[in-house]
Amino acid sequence: GQQLNQSPQSMFIQEGEDVSMNCTSSSIFNTWLWYKQDPGEGPVLLIALYKAGELTSNGRLTAQFGITRKDSFLNISASIPSDVGIYFCAGQWETSGSRLTFGEGTQLTVNP
Amino acid sequence: EAGVTQFPSHSVIEKGQTVTLRCDPISGHDNLYWYRRVMGKEIKFLLHFVKESKQDESGMPNNRFLAERTGGTYSTLKVQPAELEDSGVYFCASSLRGTRSSYEQYFGPGTRLTVT
Repeated sequence: GQQLNQSPQSMFIQEGEDVSMNCTSSSIFNTWLWYKQDPGEGPVLLIALYKAGELTSNGRLTAQFGITRKDSFLNISASIPSDVGIYFCAGQWETSGSRLTFGEGTQLTVNP
Repeated sequence: EAGVTQFPSHSVIEKGQTVTLRCDPISGHDNLYWYRRVMGKEIKFLLHFVKESKQDESGMPNNRFLAERTGGTYSTLKVQPAELEDSGVYFCASSLRGTRSSYEQYFGPGTRLTVT
C-alpha cells in the first residue's frame, strides 16, 4: 500500500522558535492534511490542502502542498508550550476513495 | 455541536475474549471510518461506511474483526477472539459526504485496547 515518510520523528525546541516538519511519498497524492494529537485525545484537523503548490495558513501554522504532489510540509512559527503534541500528515490518492494514509507522526516538545 | 464519541475509552481483555467498541459520529455525517494505531506506528485505515453500507473494508486485518452500522447512525467494531497483536488505539472518524468534505475527517478520542 501507499506509505508516507514523515520527518523528523521527534523535535525538542525552545519556546519562541520556529519548527518545520515534512512528509514525502513515492506516489502522487490528491489531498494532503495535517493533524495534531494531544495526549488522550484524537487527532484534530489543522490544515487541508487540495491543489499542487497551495500554501495555506491557520494562525501560526503554514502548510504547503508540494508541486510534485509527492510531498507536503508544515511550519509552526513562534512556538508556544501548547504546541506540544504529535503532528501527523495524512494524504489521499486517486484510487483510495476517501480513506486517509497517515505518516508515523512527529512528536514535538516545546521547552518554556 | 457534539464531536465524535467513542466507548469505552480503555479496555483490557485476555487473549481469546471478545470486545466490542462503539462509535457515535457527528450528527449528519454519513461517512464513518475506523482506524487503528498500533505500537506508536502510523494510524492505519480499517474500513469506511457510507450510512449503513460498507464502502471500503480493505483495511480490515482478518475475519476476527466485524464492523456494523445498523441504521446508519452509530457503529460497532467487534474483535472476536482477540489476539495480542490487536492491542492498540482504535479511532473512529466521521465526515460529511462530498469530494472535499469527505477528506476532512473528525476523529474521536479513541479506545485504547490492551490484549493480555
